[in-house]
Amino acid sequence: KQEVTQIPAALSVPEGENLVLNCSFTDSAIYNLQWFRQDPGKGLTSLLLIQSSQREQTSGRLNASLDKSSGRSTLYIAASQPGDSATYLCAPRRVTNAGKSTFGDGTTLTVKP
Amino acid sequence: NAGVTQTPKFQVLKTGQSMTLQCAQDMNHEYMSWYRQDPGMGLRLIHYSVGAGITDQGEVPNGYNVSRSTTEDFPLRLLSAAPSQTSVYFCASSYTGTDEQFFGPGTRLTVL
Repeated sequence: KQEVTQIPAALSVPEGENLVLNCSFTDSAIYNLQWFRQDPGKGLTSLLLIQSSQREQTSGRLNASLDKSSGRSTLYIAASQPGDSATYLCAPRRVTNAGKSTFGDGTTLTVKP
Repeated sequence: NAGVTQTPKFQVLKTGQSMTLQCAQDMNHEYMSWYRQDPGMGLRLIHYSVGAGITDQGEVPNGYNVSRSTTEDFPLRLLSAAPSQTSVYFCASSYTGTDEQFFGPGTRLTVL
């Protein structure tokens, strides 16, 4: 069974700081890994999808890396802004499980003005 | 392009009542799934479908039924609601089982 851990569970930083969110997973046989953000009371918004053959994927101030062999992914946020405050979730998608995703519990980020 | 839509946004049921949560997508996605999100337990897969006419169970299927008669729609039925089914329900879709997933806005369900 895939286990997904996100560290830290919560993070508070001042505006402008660069930060890294961590995601680790136990089963490295994955197709890809997707990062989402969730605002309070809202659905999940897709941020980045990184394929198992890729090592990095970038979108604006966001950069996701994937090390499949060690079961780790990081989400790097550059020059954080108060609008980045949200919960960030990672979800690896397994090869052997009909495409089911397993979600971590998320990291709740607060960026203070 | 509306993406993934869910209705209703909020619902209050009494124990034993039944209801259907609606999910639709207009992206011609084959893969659709239902999750529930509970504090401290994250998102858990209830049922999923890899195409019209094909459904399968996820991690927590008990008390829920699904069917997929069209590519666009994937309703979730609660047969006899229980307080343990109080949760936020999300529907998601992707083109295949290996593509980017898109989520609906969720249905917040309370069972009294």
